[in-house]
Amino acid sequence: DAKTTQPTSMDCAEGRAANLPCNHSTISGNEYVYWYRQIHSQGPQYIIHGLKNNETNEMASLIITEDRKSSTLILPHATLRDTAVYYCIVLIYNQGGKLIFGQGTELSVKP
Amino acid sequence: DTAVSQTPKYLVTQMGNDKSIKCEQNLGHDTMYWYKQDSKKFLKIMFSYNNKELIINETVPNRFSPKSPDKAHLNLHINSLELGDSAVYFCASTPLGGATEAFFGQGTRLTVV
Repeated sequence: DAKTTQPTSMDCAEGRAANLPCNHSTISGNEYVYWYRQIHSQGPQYIIHGLKNNETNEMASLIITEDRKSSTLILPHATLRDTAVYYCIVLIYNQGGKLIFGQGTELSVKP
Repeated sequence: DTAVSQTPKYLVTQMGNDKSIKCEQNLGHDTMYWYKQDSKKFLKIMFSYNNKELIINETVPNRFSPKSPDKAHLNLHINSLELGDSAVYFCASTPLGGATEAFFGQGTRLTVV
């Protein structure tokens, strides 16, 4: 079973920031938080991951709370192409890479 | 260049048939996976191979048999296909250890009629 909970769906206006929350209250000290997304009819795509520090890359930012029980993925300027299902996954680094996907959040970016 | 490629993209077959799905990655990764996405869109891992050695086998029926001729290829053979096998199957790969960025193929939509 997935160790994360996410809202089922969210809407965001094009050009605005999309903030996708994730709860992982039972996360262990050696577990990382990963985010993937799946655009319709495509394979999942890696976005970002982090342990306890906030992380940023060309796609998104990841904000992890100090107690590590929740995190937020931020897409700073959402476009229509960001419409997808976003998955938050916790994973022990170097433990075979087994990704356990939950239901994810279906993000709809609207014009 | 496609990093992880699967063939075929679509596969329609009758119950009872045997079919194979092929996967190749050109990333030099050591670990490859098969995931299944059912009609409710849940993605679940089936198998993982590390340098041709089976690492993960997630209680998948014996009718499913992965084969890794080399570390760049992981094929999935399915015997005696059943209606419930209809799903989208995704191949993926990661570097050694597996917990860094995973690259997924575009999926094979299998329909059993």
